Amino acid sequence: KAGVTQTPRYLIKTRGQQVTLSCSPISGHRSVSWYQQTPGQGLQFLFEYFSETQRNKGNFPGRFSGRQFSNSRSEMNVSTLELGDSALYLCASSLWTKYEQYFGPGTRLTVT
Amino acid sequence: GNSVTQMEGPVTLSEEAFLTINCTYTATGYPSLFWYVQYPGEGLQLLLKATKADDKGSNKGFEATYRKETTSFHLEKGSVQVSDSAVYFCALSDLRNRDDKIIFGKGTRLHILP
Repeated sequence: KAGVTQTPRYLIKTRGQQVTLSCSPISGHRSVSWYQQTPGQGLQFLFEYFSETQRNKGNFPGRFSGRQFSNSRSEMNVSTLELGDSALYLCASSLWTKYEQYFGPGTRLTVT
Repeated sequence: GNSVTQMEGPVTLSEEAFLTINCTYTATGYPSLFWYVQYPGEGLQLLLKATKADDKGSNKGFEATYRKETTSFHLEKGSVQVSDSAVYFCALSDLRNRDDKIIFGKGTRLHILP
């Protein structure tokens, strides 16, 4: 069974731009969660989607948004990028909400 | 609310040493407990889990026992290898709490010296 895939793997953007990251969960998994990982703050929860509905949201500004499609694939969008948004963005899928999660390799975003 | 506390890192050990990474939790319900590992340049991988008190999770020589009386889930390995160098995350999930999400600890970086 294929694992969680994330695209792109690496991205370089300029301050003020926006970016969209994509995540394809494991087949049959209906829950997708997004995390931001930085050396200073560690692993921080962004949001969780289940059956196209956002179930939980972390403490991030409204510039961070996401959605889930009917095939469970998910995208997250960050608008008006700031230097502090440089991070590894991890997507995780699970069969059901709050079940054990399976992570993708992440998208490394660098904002210059 | 629920929380997870891990020992601060980095932890540096010599190859074949005994490893313990402490993890304690606070939960109002009956959480499942997990250890995840993140190797350099990769995402997190589930290492082991335990779903109820006194359960022992094990994988790749690592073990952790769900201790409800001490609210702990310490990760242990009898003889570490250089390839075990990674960041380890303790996590909990309370399936009975509808609005809860999986809670991760801050992670403990492990360095194994040859």
